[in-house]
Amino acid sequence: LAKTTQPISMDSYEGQEVNITCSHNNIATNDYITWYQQFPSQGPRFIIQGYKTKVTNEVASLFIPADRKSSTLSLPRVSLSDTAVYYCLVGDLPASGNTPLVFGKGTRLSVIA
Amino acid sequence: GAVVSQHPSWVICKSGTSVKIECRSLDFQATTMFWYRQFPKQSLMLMATSNEGSKATYEQGVEKDKFLINHASLTLSTLTVTSAHPEDSSFYICSARDSLRVENSPLHFGNGTRLTVT
Repeated sequence: LAKTTQPISMDSYEGQEVNITCSHNNIATNDYITWYQQFPSQGPRFIIQGYKTKVTNEVASLFIPADRKSSTLSLPRVSLSDTAVYYCLVGDLPASGNTPLVFGKGTRLSVIA
Repeated sequence: GAVVSQHPSWVICKSGTSVKIECRSLDFQATTMFWYRQFPKQSLMLMATSNEGSKATYEQGVEKDKFLINHASLTLSTLTVTSAHPEDSSFYICSARDSLRVENSPLHFGNGTRLTVT
């Protein structure tokens, strides 16, 4: 399973765009990239998932360069409620439903008023 | 969207007793479920993979006789912490993905169970 590296923490002011970059140099051909958000004492919540190029949904965008060795989660106009830990994970999702996701240390985002 | 329900959300038990945690996939089938444990200020650590109708697969360092896993149906997996000790106090989280829609189907997590052993 590919290892991921993220910044330990980030601070941002409300209303700003936040970009969290994750490195996954050993990503395999079948691996997808998935981002989760976790609030204290809650289970992780799925944010976005992608394989290559750009994916956008109602809450975030995910940018993946051609070599797929990194990815960037972009949160537009963050609010105080976006303060959480964000995890980047890679895993072979389509090929086997039996593959777990291995969590790295995540990025603790603090949004300041 | 897919929902994973975990029960109880918190439990306090005395040292030496056993505690059962339930994990249910509410609107999808899950032949495989995963159990994680999270200590304060740390990331999630995979404990075991629960397989419907067969034995669970445990990660290195996780005692299978202490953490009993049963996956008797396509929507229910249980984790029993036997003879609990204070060091077992932690946040336990289960997860599952839709077995019928594996392609691009993300892993969904329950809201966790806070276990405190006194």
